[in-house]
Amino acid sequence: AQSVTQLDSQVPVFEEAPVELRCNYSSSVSVYLFWYVQYPNQGLQLLLKYLSGSTLVKGINGFEAEFNKSQTSFHLRKPSVHISDTAEYFCAVLRGYQKVTFGTGTKLQVIP
Amino acid sequence: EPEVTQTPSHQVTQMGQEVILRCVPISNHLYFYWYRQILGQKVEFLVSFYNNEISEKSEIFDDQFSVERPDGSNFTLKIRSTKLEDSAMYFCASSEGGASDTEAFFGQGTRLTVV
Repeated sequence: AQSVTQLDSQVPVFEEAPVELRCNYSSSVSVYLFWYVQYPNQGLQLLLKYLSGSTLVKGINGFEAEFNKSQTSFHLRKPSVHISDTAEYFCAVLRGYQKVTFGTGTKLQVIP
Repeated sequence: EPEVTQTPSHQVTQMGQEVILRCVPISNHLYFYWYRQILGQKVEFLVSFYNNEISEKSEIFDDQFSVERPDGSNFTLKIRSTKLEDSAMYFCASSEGGASDTEAFFGQGTRLTVV
């Protein structure tokens, strides 16, 4: 079985400050890891994904995430956030043909 | 870039009515999915579909729900008799399948409002 835990349901951060959104996963086998972003009243957009290789993955809009196998984590980071980053962020795992399993989401609120 | 498209973007229906949500997956993809997101809640898996049959479904996907691939391009979700609690955003997704399958591509969603 695989599951995803996002410990923070909401993260407020001031504009231009750094942010880290936490994600931990559990799986008995190798998985593919994703971060999706959902802007208000919109669909799911892929931010970045980890498949294999380098543990630091860079995505769109200046986001990056680091895969840490020993800690089973895949935290999302951005060094300086913008108002337009206000959205909900979902960590997800995919194994082979199986369904994508989503975390409960973290709402990022960027404060001007 | 190929994308998953969903229609309509917003559907309002009366309780008890049947509704069909439509999706056009990416053309060479073999696996299709429906997910649901009730307002303010997480994205939940409903069903996956491969080779013209359901490969996996969640406990949410009860007898009121059905999926179909009526032709070579569309993938539909039917809710037979809608309830108020079916109001949600419904996302369709597709993936290539095969040993290199590494990503599910999501549509923009259909917001279903049951009144």
